[in-house]
Amino acid sequence: EDKVVQSPLSLVVHEGDTVTLNCSYEVTNFRSLLWYKQEKKAPTFLFMLTSSGIEKKSGRLSSILDKKELFSILNITATQTGDSAVYLCAPYNFNKFYFGSGTKLNVKP
Amino acid sequence: DAGVIQSPRHEVTEMGQEVTLRCKPISGHNSLFWYRQTMMRGLELLIYFNNNVPIDDSGMPEDRFSAKMPNASFSTLKIQPSEPRDSAVYFCASSPQLTSGTDTQYFGPGTRLTVL
Repeated sequence: EDKVVQSPLSLVVHEGDTVTLNCSYEVTNFRSLLWYKQEKKAPTFLFMLTSSGIEKKSGRLSSILDKKELFSILNITATQTGDSAVYLCAPYNFNKFYFGSGTKLNVKP
Repeated sequence: DAGVIQSPRHEVTEMGQEVTLRCKPISGHNSLFWYRQTMMRGLELLIYFNNNVPIDDSGMPEDRFSAKMPNASFSTLKIQPSEPRDSAVYFCASSPQLTSGTDTQYFGPGTRLTVL
């Protein structure tokens, strides 16, 4: 059965800290993995990862995929209060996206 | 580009009533997805269409739910009869082309449904 596990479920840090969010998956015919940020509204796209070992960066956020060990991580450096959100990972296999339950990040001033 | 458009943004109805949610995908996108999100169950994929054809509706909870996509620019999700446990935020998302493996999804703002 296809499954996605995100960890930790929730995380509280202070501004300036660095955080690492984890996503492990077992998805048949895996093609790519997407990360989303969700605040109080609809999810917004962060990254799409298709190749193993290639880091994608966007400002203070970066992500990498390991297709051998079946996981991905999302790093956020120098966190800010605006980073507070639920972060969702979604492996994709051409048929559907499998959303994890998310990691709730709370960044305190 | 206006993005994915959903209507209504909020819907409050009584148990037993029919509810119809509407979605207009981004022009040129060939894939459309309906999701439901609740605190208890998180984000769930209900059904998705590719080129107006339903591909996978295994996420549709029961026969009370139905979805249609009569053309490339419009889709509906209908619940009849509605029940309090259907209360959730319903998102519609579209993607340029599902089978490419390189495209992401763009979410609409969601419809918050409350069934009393």
